[in-house]
Amino acid sequence: QKEVEQDPGPLSVPEGAIVSLNCTYSNSAFQYFMWYRQYSRKGPELLMYTYSSGNKEDGRFTAQVDKSSKYISLFIRDSQPSDSATYLCAMSGNNNDMRFGAGTRLTVKP
Amino acid sequence: GAGVSQTPSNKVTEKGKYVELRCDPISGHTALYWYRQSLGQGPEFLIYFQGTGAADDSGLPNDRFFAVRPEGSVSTLKIQRTERGDSAVYLCASSLIGGGADTQYFGPGTRLTVL
Repeated sequence: QKEVEQDPGPLSVPEGAIVSLNCTYSNSAFQYFMWYRQYSRKGPELLMYTYSSGNKEDGRFTAQVDKSSKYISLFIRDSQPSDSATYLCAMSGNNNDMRFGAGTRLTVKP
Repeated sequence: GAGVSQTPSNKVTEKGKYVELRCDPISGHTALYWYRQSLGQGPEFLIYFQGTGAADDSGLPNDRFFAVRPEGSVSTLKIQRTERGDSAVYLCASSLIGGGADTQYFGPGTRLTVL
C-alpha cells in the first residue's frame, strides 16, 4: 500500500461544474498538507497549503483536511477550462519527507 | 523575482552514458530538493540539501546517482552508466529554510530520455 493514495482519473467536467479531488494517506505523522497544480511539461506549482485538520478557502478553491480519517480534499468551484491540469496532493511531517500522490488529471470542457 | 531554473530542459542520451542535470534555486533559499517524476506518477523524493551538505539522500535509488551543491546554491545531479529505467522528468525544488512547514518551489524539470 502506498503512503499516499490518489485516484489518477482522468476526470472530465463541463465548465462551471464543482470539482472534488481527494487523497487518502496512511502516515499519521503527516501534519502539512498541500495541493499542487501541474500543467503539461511544467513543474508543480503550489495551490493550497493547510496545517493539520480544518478548511482553507482561497478564491474558487477550498482545501479540507480530516486527520482522523486521514483524508484530504480539494474543491474547485465554477471550474474553468484554464483549470485543466494535473492536481497533486502532497503531505509532510516535521522533517523533509514530503510525499506526493500520483496526481489526478482534470479536463474542464468549455 | 526569478524562480527555480533547471538546465537542460531536455536531455537524450544513450544507455551507459554519464549525464549531469543542473538546478539554480531561488536566491537566498538554503534548502534544495531533487525529485524524480515518472510518467503518470507524482514526484518521488531523491535527495535534500541544507546549505552545502546532503541532509537526506535516502531517496537515491542506487550508487549510480549522486548530487552535489558545493557552494550552497547551484546543485548538480549526476547519473552514471544510465539505464533506460532512468528515463523520467527530474525536478528540482527549493525552500527558504527547509523543514516540513516550509513551502517548496519547483523548477520546470529536466526531461531525461535514455535510449
